[in-house]
Formats: sequence, C-alpha cells, structure tokens
Amino acid sequence: EAGVTQSPTHLIKTRGQQATLRCSPISGHTSVYWYQQALGLGLQFLLWYDEGEERNRGNFPPRFSGRQFPNYSSELNVNALELEDSALYLCASSPRSGRDQNIQYFGAGTRLSVL
Amino acid sequence: GDSVTQMEGPVTLSEEAFLTINCTYTATGYPSLFWYVQYPGEGLQLLLKATKADDKGSNKGFEATYRKETTSFHLEKGSVQVSDSAVYFCALLSGAGSYQLTFGKGTKLSVIP
Repeated sequence: EAGVTQSPTHLIKTRGQQATLRCSPISGHTSVYWYQQALGLGLQFLLWYDEGEERNRGNFPPRFSGRQFPNYSSELNVNALELEDSALYLCASSPRSGRDQNIQYFGAGTRLSVL
Repeated sequence: GDSVTQMEGPVTLSEEAFLTINCTYTATGYPSLFWYVQYPGEGLQLLLKATKADDKGSNKGFEATYRKETTSFHLEKGSVQVSDSAVYFCALLSGAGSYQLTFGKGTKLSVIP
C-alpha cells in the first residue's frame, strides 16, 4: 500500500513569490494535516482538512492557505514568500474512524527554500 | 495549552548501550501519546503509541509507558544499534477534538560502533 506522497521534493523560490505544495494521502484516509518544520522552531501544526473542509488552523498568517480535493489530496499554498518560510513542510494523513483513527502517517516532506 | 518537553540532545551512545529519552507533557483531558522517529533526509515515522494511562507502546525493541501520575512517556531501548541513529520526537494528540499533534523539540541520537 502506498504511503503519503508529497511533491515536489524540493522547491526553490524567491521572496514575494508563491509556492504550491501537494500531498496525496494514504488510500482510505480522509484527513490531511500540514506541519512546518523550520530550523530552530521544531514541528508546528499548520492546517487540518477533512472531507474537503478546513477543520483547524495553527498560528500562521492568512498567506498560508490550502484546500482539499474530492479525492482527498491536498494543496498547501504560501503567498508572498518570506525568507523565514524556508522549512521542511510535512503532510500527514489519518482515517476518521477505525483502529488507526488517531494515528497520523507522514510523507517525506517538501523542502522549501526561499532566496 | 498543550505542550511537550523532551530532553535536549544531542545524545551519543556506544552500540549496545541502554537508551532513555525523557518526555513529559501538559495537556487538557486525556491525550494519546506518540513517539515518532526521523531518519536523515526523511519524514516522520511512527515508532510507538499509547492511548490511555498505563498503556505500554512497543516496537523494534523500543518501549514507552504512559504514566498519568507523572505526565511522562519516556522512551527506552535496552541495546541500541548504529541504525537507531535518528531524531526522536515525542508528541501528544489532545483528547479535546482538535486532532493536531503537539511535538517536543526532538532529540538527536547518534550511536557509534
């Protein structure tokens, strides 16, 4: 069974540009989560989508946004990029019911570099 | 709010040494607790979990027991291997329905032959 897949692996942008990161969850998982892993700041929760709706949002500005598609894949968009947005962005998925309901499975991440 | 505190690294051990990484938490309600591991250049992998007090999670020789009275979830392994070199994260999932993981800052473990 395929795990959580993220693309691209690496992304290089300049300040002020927009970045789009993509995530495909494990088959059967309806919830998708986004986390930022920035140097020195640890792992911070960004967004949670379930059944196409944004369910919860971390302490990030509105230029961080996203969406979830009918096939449960998700996009994270970061507008007006700033240097401090450089980080590893991790996507995770989980089912909404069953034995694994509270377990989040992570992808390998997208490393965003803002120059 | 919820928080996780884990011991600062880096930790360097010789092969076959005993490992303990301390983790304590603050949370409302009854959280689920997790240890994730991140190998160089990779994402996070779930190592083990515990969902209620006194549960013991175990996997690949690693163990951790959910201690409600001390709000702790310390990770232990009796004999580490070079392949265990990685960053280990303690995390909690609040029982309050938010479904967001709160992570500790991570502990980097290096095992030398």
